[in-house]
Amino acid sequence: GDSVTQMEGPVTLSEEAFLTINCTYTATGYPSLFWYVQYPGEGLQLLLKATKADDKGSNKGFEATYRKETTSFHLEKGSVQVSDSAVYFCALMWGGTYKYIFGTGTRLKVLA
Amino acid sequence: EAGVTQFPSHSVIEKGQTVTLRCDPISGHDNLYWYRRVMGKEIKFLLHFVKESKQDESGMPNNRFLAERTGGTYSTLKVQPAELEDSGVYFCASSQVRYEQYFGPGTRLTVT
Repeated sequence: GDSVTQMEGPVTLSEEAFLTINCTYTATGYPSLFWYVQYPGEGLQLLLKATKADDKGSNKGFEATYRKETTSFHLEKGSVQVSDSAVYFCALMWGGTYKYIFGTGTRLKVLA
Repeated sequence: EAGVTQFPSHSVIEKGQTVTLRCDPISGHDNLYWYRRVMGKEIKFLLHFVKESKQDESGMPNNRFLAERTGGTYSTLKVQPAELEDSGVYFCASSQVRYEQYFGPGTRLTVT
């Protein structure tokens, strides 16, 4: 069945470091891809999305590009801040459906 | 604007007991979803309401789980009788459109 695989955490970085969180998916076809973020004590929030191959989603300095050749949607940020500390979830959704298929989440800790 | 709220935030019950989780979606959101995250694994879809109707309940694990949405407003998820493997975090989400689902902070259920 369809699945999403994320790198295991926690990922610990110093402030202003470059961030990459890897995400790959297994699916027959081209679903839409998403990154959600969960800050401590809060619900998940949509961070960015890409609905077709080669699209780049971006928000709050984060970016991810839909790569169909490598079935990947890696999350990047050039300079992380302490406030970016959270759990990041990669997910896919098929057209015509309303349900996400999530990865296991990657916890990011940014140290001052 | 109030976000998605869930009650209780944490519930500890014994195996065989009954628990009811409540979700209040964002006002005006016709779509309401339940998801579950077990033991740090991926977040899994349980079901989807459109107003008061169940649109997709393909993720419900078994008939010990019963979800209702009264008058298309708040929703409850009842687990009866609870088993140890039901422990996890139950998330509720709501949306007006497919892609941007707003998640609540979750209810952590512990079955002992």
